[in-house]
Amino acid sequence: EAGVAQSPRYKIIEKRQSVAFWCNPISGHATLYWYQQILGQGPKLLIQFQNNGVVDDSQLPKDRFSAERLKGVDSTLKIQPAKLEDSAVYLCASSLGQGSHYEQYFGPGTRLTVT
Amino acid sequence: AQTVTQSQPEMSVQEAETVTLSCTYDTSESDYYLFWYKQPPSRQMILVIRQEAYKQQNATENRFSVNFQKAAKSFSLKISDSQLGDAAMYFCAYRSGTTGNQFYFGTGTSLTVIP
Repeated sequence: EAGVAQSPRYKIIEKRQSVAFWCNPISGHATLYWYQQILGQGPKLLIQFQNNGVVDDSQLPKDRFSAERLKGVDSTLKIQPAKLEDSAVYLCASSLGQGSHYEQYFGPGTRLTVT
Repeated sequence: AQTVTQSQPEMSVQEAETVTLSCTYDTSESDYYLFWYKQPPSRQMILVIRQEAYKQQNATENRFSVNFQKAAKSFSLKISDSQLGDAAMYFCAYRSGTTGNQFYFGTGTSLTVIP
């Protein structure tokens, strides 16, 4: 089966610019996650969707970050305006369901550099 | 919030030898899951092994096994017969079985395999 797809793989922008990332989960996976992984740290959950509804966005900086999953399939994560501290790898993951026993499958990530 | 601690930023092992990566966690819950993920350089994160807290038996997956000490809140990963392909960043992660679905990741251990 095809894995989680993300694009672009790399992005370089200047601070105060906007950027968007795209994620296509594994077919049939109802739950989708966006993580931020800063260099030298483990991934941190930004937002979790169950189908097209938000389950958890408690760690999403909502003044500059937004995410949507309108049709319950693919998803976009946007940063507007970007700050230097947003430089990180943004990982998308999906799972069949939101229960803790379901395995999460990760995409290759998008490496964002803000200059 | 739960915390996951990996005290070894870097480890190295000779090919064919055995190495153990350490992980401790802090929680007041009794129902949870623990995971080890592998993240090769520039490649996506994959699940190595999973342990349910209610299971006393340590999980094993081929050359990978864990030493789960619930009372001590310790969850170490043992890699036997190390191979060059095992070189990667390894993350320990915690997930509650009841209160939400947030993953808590450690800061990772970078494993080098010496030929």
